[in-house]
Amino acid sequence: GESVGLHLPTLSVQEGDNSIINCAYSNSASDYFIWYKQESGKGPQFIIDIRSNMDKRQGQRVTVLLNKTVKHLSLQIAATQPGDSAVYFCAERISSGSARQLTFGSGTQLTVLP
Amino acid sequence: DTGVSQDPRHKITKRGQNVTFRCDPISEHNRLYWYRQTLGQGPEFLTYFQNEAQLEKSRLLSDRFSAERPKGSFSTLEIQRTEQGDSAMYLCASSLTGAVYNEQFFGPGTRLTVL
Repeated sequence: GESVGLHLPTLSVQEGDNSIINCAYSNSASDYFIWYKQESGKGPQFIIDIRSNMDKRQGQRVTVLLNKTVKHLSLQIAATQPGDSAVYFCAERISSGSARQLTFGSGTQLTVLP
Repeated sequence: DTGVSQDPRHKITKRGQNVTFRCDPISEHNRLYWYRQTLGQGPEFLTYFQNEAQLEKSRLLSDRFSAERPKGSFSTLEIQRTEQGDSAMYLCASSLTGAVYNEQFFGPGTRLTVL
């Protein structure tokens, strides 16, 4: 079964508010995590990533938090804009051995309300 | 624009026909991945190449599927005797070994519809 999953399939936020999208993973061997944004009809777009030796990483308007104790990942988007409306996927990877593929969750649909 | 391109963007075919998709990765990237995505789901790994070598295949990649990367640059994914269950978005991604995080950059995908 999937080792990466999301708590909420949909999330609606007001424009200008902060968004938090959550993700749970079950494979403690995973050591690399990525958040992707996917707009309708397009491929996933890299947002931000984090390695397991970190618990927080910040980008432009986005922050990823990693809690290895409870195997939880979150994506925070500050001052959410209409252009942020999309499906957000978290993905994990185990870097050991030859495996390089990402395992994705089923996604959260973020809708930004005017 | 990630720099990964895929062709065609859309393909409609009849059951039993063969189809071939092409992926051109970001030029300096030596790793190339194929994923399949069905509606409402996250991408599922199919196979990946490092240079021209196909290093890993998912159990999702049945005998009807074959992928090649003959010169270590572009790749093709062929599906023989297509079935309606093959209808999905086929995504290609590329990455560079030696990069800090080896992040994968995705192309726009090829949407396959099998009638």
